Amino acid sequence: QVQLQESGPGLVKPSQTLSLTCTVSGVSISSGGYYWTWIRQHPGKGLEWIGCIHYSGGTYYNPSLKSRLTISLDTSQYQVSLKLTSVTAADTAVYYCARPTSQGVGNNAFDIWGQGTMVTVSS
Amino acid sequence: EIVLTQSPATLSLSPGERATLSCRASQSVYSYLAWYRQKPGQAPRLLIYDTSIRATGIPARFSGSGSGTDFTLTISSLEPEDFAVYYCQQRNNWPLTFGGGTKVEIK
Repeated sequence: QVQLQESGPGLVKPSQTLSLTCTVSGVSISSGGYYWTWIRQHPGKGLEWIGCIHYSGGTYYNPSLKSRLTISLDTSQYQVSLKLTSVTAADTAVYYCARPTSQGVGNNAFDIWGQGTMVTVSS
Repeated sequence: EIVLTQSPATLSLSPGERATLSCRASQSVYSYLAWYRQKPGQAPRLLIYDTSIRATGIPARFSGSGSGTDFTLTISSLEPEDFAVYYCQQRNNWPLTFGGGTKVEIK
């Protein structure tokens, strides 16, 4: 079955770049036409959609993060990556990768999630 | 961006009781609304998408209804695992947005 596993440093200093990886197993990220997605959850708060990427390279980003955000694919490694520059304490959150319910549509619901990785921004 | 407002913030009920959760959108999302359940320390789990379609493996006690700006998630008889936080999410407009959540707690 399809599984997603996020990884990355748990602690990032303010003004630095946050880099996370989502490793996908059970399916090729270059097939099926899914928009691989990142979502985050601030401590004790609700969910925030960050952005997504299609294997063709097409992306959609949350306008609130767009100027600092890059999402990319490494199909050979079955990985989806997130880079967020100039982080502040407001970027402290659990970061999830997720797969939508259907192919070819970026604006979707999400039926497969990773377990999430906690990132703290602090000096 | 579309703002989703969930009510109530907290719902105190007993096992076996019926739960009714509301999600209101700041503008029409047509039928493109989903519901998730999140237990502590876990990722959200998709329950319902496109207003009323149950996701794979979701039991029939979960049902969704509504259209446009007003939506409801109903849990017909609460099981112990249903005491959790529930989120709605719209997919009609970019950016995708989530509601602030409703916590269903044991009375």
